[in-house]
Amino acid sequence: GAGVSQTPSNKVTEKGKYVELRCDPISGHTALYWYRQSLGQGPEFLIYFQGTGAADDSGLPNDRFFAVRPEGSVSTLKIQRTERGDSAVYLCASSLRGGSRNEQFFGPGTRLTVL
Amino acid sequence: AQSVTQLGSHVSVSEGALVLLRCNYSSSVPPYLFWYVQYPNQGLQLLLKYTSAATLVKGINGFEAEFKKSETSFHLTKPSAHMSDAAEYFCAVSTTSGTYKYIFGTGTRLKVLA
Repeated sequence: GAGVSQTPSNKVTEKGKYVELRCDPISGHTALYWYRQSLGQGPEFLIYFQGTGAADDSGLPNDRFFAVRPEGSVSTLKIQRTERGDSAVYLCASSLRGGSRNEQFFGPGTRLTVL
Repeated sequence: AQSVTQLGSHVSVSEGALVLLRCNYSSSVPPYLFWYVQYPNQGLQLLLKYTSAATLVKGINGFEAEFKKSETSFHLTKPSAHMSDAAEYFCAVSTTSGTYKYIFGTGTRLKVLA
């Protein structure tokens, strides 16, 4: 079956621009996570959705970052006024129910480069 | 708060030799622990997980890990390394309430020498 997909796979933008990163979770998965992986680091949690609502956005670094999941499936991570420090791989993951025993399935990521 | 420490950002082994990748965790409550592998330009793939059942967990590709509460460790092993095992490996701990988000270690890059 189809796994988690993310588009675009690569995004190059200029400092100050707005970007949107999309995540298509596995069908039927109610829990969706966004992580950010900087070079040489492990993924860091950004935000968690259970259904349509953001249940935990404590990992978002500042108010330039925002994410939505309006219909409880596809999610979009939005970054305003991008900065060079936002350059990283943004990973999306989904799981069946969100409980800690439920494995998270990761997408291939979107590599964001801010020039 | 929970955290994960992976000792050794780079590990090199000869093909056929034992693989040992170290992971220590910190958690105030019984954790759930995971090992993921990441091949170049690919997403994270689950190798194995500990969810409070058996302390010795067997995963895919011949990997296994043992949960040792007394040592707060969850080291990953494989008896005989294969060239295809060359990748980056991440240990993660899951929160056991609320969001169940993962806290990842910084990763260990495994190099397999012919």
